[in-house]
Amino acid sequence: GAVVSQHPSRVICKSGTSVKIECRSLDFQATTMFWYRQFPKQSLMLMATSNEGSKATYEQGVEKDKFLINHASLTLSTLTVTSAHPEDSSFYICSASTTGGVQPQHFGDGTRLSIL
Amino acid sequence: QKEVEQDPGPLSVPEGAIVSLNCTYSNSAFQYFMWYRQYSRKGPELLMYTYSSGNKEDGRFTAQVDKSSKYISLFIRDSQPSDSATYLCAMKPGAGSYQLTFGKGTKLSVIP
Repeated sequence: GAVVSQHPSRVICKSGTSVKIECRSLDFQATTMFWYRQFPKQSLMLMATSNEGSKATYEQGVEKDKFLINHASLTLSTLTVTSAHPEDSSFYICSASTTGGVQPQHFGDGTRLSIL
Repeated sequence: QKEVEQDPGPLSVPEGAIVSLNCTYSNSAFQYFMWYRQYSRKGPELLMYTYSSGNKEDGRFTAQVDKSSKYISLFIRDSQPSDSATYLCAMKPGAGSYQLTFGKGTKLSVIP
């Protein structure tokens, strides 16, 4: 149980392209989803928290116009990196949790984004 | 002082050894503690989730929490090469809080 699917797993694209990453909870309803960024040999850095049907809450220093988050249903959240540049290259990971916060977060397998 | 301290390793052990992984924390508000395993180029996988002080066992894994010392541990018995991964501790305050605070992770290699 508690499976989170993230797609695509790998993206390579040119600078200036917008990239959309999907995060789906397959066997539970995720009222809250999270988007993280992870640099090599570093821990996860929270970018934003999204609740179904509401606007995402972004962490300090994360550009909301750059990283668009949509959480339209209880099983799907998307992260769109707009006009991506080489410095946006990173490993992006989503996680999901159910109502109440007691349950732990379950993570997707991440998306490796490379901007040329 | 960082909120959560975790030795990044790397830690190399022979197959069959008992592995001890640890985190210390400074925020006494943390009440929920987790251990995640992350293989290279994959997302973290939840291993253990604990609330109270004491031990919790699941197969070859034992999670230990000592809130008085602000210290948590993960023990792996009979370690296997497939246990080679980075282990992340994570913690959060009350049940209503979603946001996790992670350690930096300890890279473990189990040598056959």
